[in-house]
Amino acid sequence: DAGVIQSPRHEVTEMGQEVTLRCKPISGHDYLFWYRQTMMRGLELLIYFNNNVPIDDSGMPEDRFSAKMPNASFSTLKIQPSEPRDSAVYFCASSFATGVAFFGQGTRLTVV
Amino acid sequence: SQQGEEDPQALSIQEGENATMNCSYKTSINNLQWYRQNSGRGLVHLILIRSNEREKHSGRLRVTLDTSKKSSSLLITASRAADTASYFCATDAGNKLTFGGGTRVLVKP
Repeated sequence: DAGVIQSPRHEVTEMGQEVTLRCKPISGHDYLFWYRQTMMRGLELLIYFNNNVPIDDSGMPEDRFSAKMPNASFSTLKIQPSEPRDSAVYFCASSFATGVAFFGQGTRLTVV
Repeated sequence: SQQGEEDPQALSIQEGENATMNCSYKTSINNLQWYRQNSGRGLVHLILIRSNEREKHSGRLRVTLDTSKKSSSLLITASRAADTASYFCATDAGNKLTFGGGTRVLVKP
């Protein structure tokens, strides 16, 4: 298996634009997590899904953030409109219920 | 919010020395995990210790867990320059993994 695949690896966008981050989890995993990593706040859990259903989105910072998982092999995290303070590395991870998470390489987002 | 807090925030040692880092957490957990992150990369799972376990080994890694003190430690023995990375503890409280702030470890050759 190729592991968790995220795209794009890098994204530079202007303030106010819509940004969509994509994630393909490991086949067979039933949990999918979206994290955001910054120097100031560390690694924050934004939202997680179980069997494609959002379970806990309490970490989503604002209504500008939304996440979907239309099927077991694909998830998106969307920011609309984007702001400079959204600049961070966004990670997707997947796991079985045992809890060991496998991370993608991340998307480095820069909003200018 | 962060469930786990690592201590120290940064650690610099010579190759061959041992590195010890600690993690404290706040609520009951199912298990506690340690991850490693190299610069610019994703996190990689190192070891998992369940709430009913007190110590676990994996190669040069030794993890302890004290649920009464809500703390864990990670020991890396005979460190190598390639161990230079950030190390994070993560607590699993019902399949929701929450990470601490991490310990940056620099192993000097």
